[in-house]
Amino acid sequence: NAGVTQTPKFQVLKTGQSMTLQCAQDMNHEYMSWYRQDPGMGLRLIHYSVGAGITDQGEVPNGYNVSRSTTEDFPLRLLSAAPSQTSVYFCASRTSNQPQHFGDGTRLSIL
Amino acid sequence: DQQVKQNSPSLSVQEGRISILNCDYTNSMFDYFLWYKKYPAEGPTFLISISSIKDKNEDGRFTVFLNKSAKHLSLHIVPSQPGDSAVYFCAASGVGGATNKLIFGTGTLLAVQP
Repeated sequence: NAGVTQTPKFQVLKTGQSMTLQCAQDMNHEYMSWYRQDPGMGLRLIHYSVGAGITDQGEVPNGYNVSRSTTEDFPLRLLSAAPSQTSVYFCASRTSNQPQHFGDGTRLSIL
Repeated sequence: DQQVKQNSPSLSVQEGRISILNCDYTNSMFDYFLWYKKYPAEGPTFLISISSIKDKNEDGRFTVFLNKSAKHLSLHIVPSQPGDSAVYFCAASGVGGATNKLIFGTGTLLAVQP
């Protein structure tokens, strides 16, 4: 059972480039979320989804897009990377009345 | 405005002793609280939770206490073990236990000395 799988683990981008962070879960969880962790700030919610075809914004959504075409996958897209988006990104999933399970993160640096 | 605060960035404890990690919150609408543990280069792992209708929840060596009037919760680890050394995050969610939207504290780095 792989749980929540995030790819890539590390990525370096130049300002203005776009990329997609991948997240997949094999637990048939309805709910999926993306967080970012910055030094001294804890984890902050970017976007979340309560099921296939349904997404909503979290606390810091600007500069990011998401879609949920399948239950398993919840990719996070950076349309035009900015240095302020340098962070560690965590994807999480859960089912009803259960706590969130997190992936091991993607460390993203934007130059 | 930080709605969930962990005012101690770090804590050092001797093996076998009690570790007490503290968390304060400002939003009285929070009704579900969780503690996550995080090792370097890994994602957070769920440890223990408590609903606002309770004031204590225990799971083995881990106990969480909730004081709603003070808007304060604490995690007790007894006895502490070197493998407990990690960053501990307190998190809160809103009405109805909607744990999609977790608000995290900034974390406390616990070091358990052998």
